[in-house]
Amino acid sequence: SQQGEEDPQALSIQEGENATMNCSYKTSINNLQWYRQNSGRGLVHLILIRSNEREKHSGRLRVTLDTSKKSSSLLITASRAADTASYFCATDHGSGNTGKLIFGQGTTLQVKP
Amino acid sequence: DVKVTQSSRYLVKRTGEKVFLECVQDMDHENMFWYRQDPGLGLRLIYFSYDVKMKEKGDIPEGYSVSREKKERFSLILESASTNQTSMYLCASSPTTRGQYFGPGTRLTVT
Repeated sequence: SQQGEEDPQALSIQEGENATMNCSYKTSINNLQWYRQNSGRGLVHLILIRSNEREKHSGRLRVTLDTSKKSSSLLITASRAADTASYFCATDHGSGNTGKLIFGQGTTLQVKP
Repeated sequence: DVKVTQSSRYLVKRTGEKVFLECVQDMDHENMFWYRQDPGLGLRLIYFSYDVKMKEKGDIPEGYSVSREKKERFSLILESASTNQTSMYLCASSPTTRGQYFGPGTRLTVT
């Protein structure tokens, strides 16, 4: 059962530009998380935003959450070639303390040097 | 740093073989997960475990089983591998609800 839907599916930008990815979900959440995956590797946790938070920063990453619209965005500022990867949002719908997540299909970001 | 390891990076098996994928985490996490990842379908949860010997089905458990005899180890078993189980398999562990830590993945090809 897919929850998170990411938009766009693919994004290509020049180094130094900002990249924005969006995620929408369908039912209420405890928190929403963003992950990065380099080609052929496992996912790496980037940032978690709780349902009562509206914005969170981590280095060049900024995440916003709008629970009324059931959507989130991930902004990567001053992108670098090393940011080239797939980015996934994942939602925690509070099924006990299992940490179970539902992942979106991801946005593939290419940053050209 | 949390480390999640998977027994193989690449694996080639024949149709009908029994396949074991092993996952080990070194941070005493209660929760462990097995996903498969296919192009255009994202990550789909196969099974997860929230304690030793405890398991729950995910979204696509058919054709798979799991075993968790020790807290640090979570095994995924393909009882009789089929070509439609060719995929990237990802294991993850999680302390509670603070995010998941992933292994490097096993790319399984069933011929």
